[in-house]
Amino acid sequence: KAGVTQTPRYLIKTRGQQVTLSCSPISGHRSVSWYQQTPGQGLQFLFEYFSETQRNKGNFPGRFSGRQFSNSRSEMNVSTLELGDSALYLCASSGGPQETQYFGPGTRLLVL
Amino acid sequence: AQSVTQPDIHITVSEGASLELRCNYSYGATPYLFWYVQSPGQGLQLLLKYFSGDTLVQGIKGFEAEFKRSQSSFNLRKPSVHWSDAAEYFCAVTSGTYKYIFGTGTRLKVLA
Repeated sequence: KAGVTQTPRYLIKTRGQQVTLSCSPISGHRSVSWYQQTPGQGLQFLFEYFSETQRNKGNFPGRFSGRQFSNSRSEMNVSTLELGDSALYLCASSGGPQETQYFGPGTRLLVL
Repeated sequence: AQSVTQPDIHITVSEGASLELRCNYSYGATPYLFWYVQSPGQGLQLLLKYFSGDTLVQGIKGFEAEFKRSQSSFNLRKPSVHWSDAAEYFCAVTSGTYKYIFGTGTRLKVLA
């Protein structure tokens, strides 16, 4: 089975721009979660989608949003980028018993 | 409040030495516990997980972890460390249907 894929792997944006990141889960997985990882804050939960519905949400401003499509692929969007949004954004998919999460390689976003 | 504590930010061991990484959790419900490993710039790879049953669980790469409910701990161990084990290790907890809570990570350095 193919693993979780994320595109793009690297991204450079400037302040004020917006960005969309994509995540394709493992085939058959219906839950997709997004995390932001920074050296200072560690791994922080952004949100989780299951069957196209946002099921859980972390403590991030409304500039961070996401969606999930009928094929379980997910996108997250960050509007009005700030320097502090520079981070590794990780996507994880889960399915099956106890919902173990499997992570993609991440998208590294640099905001200049 | 739900939390995961990894008290050691950095650990350095010599190749061939034994390793124990500590993880303590605070979680109201019955926890599902995980250890993940992350190499620089990469996503997280699942090492092992505990859901129920035998409190000593075996994972990949020769790692094992022991769940101790009375101590709220889930420490990761390896009898003999290899240079390729140098990475960052994350402990995580979930109830099985909600977001994961990650510890802040322990960075392992292996001396030749």
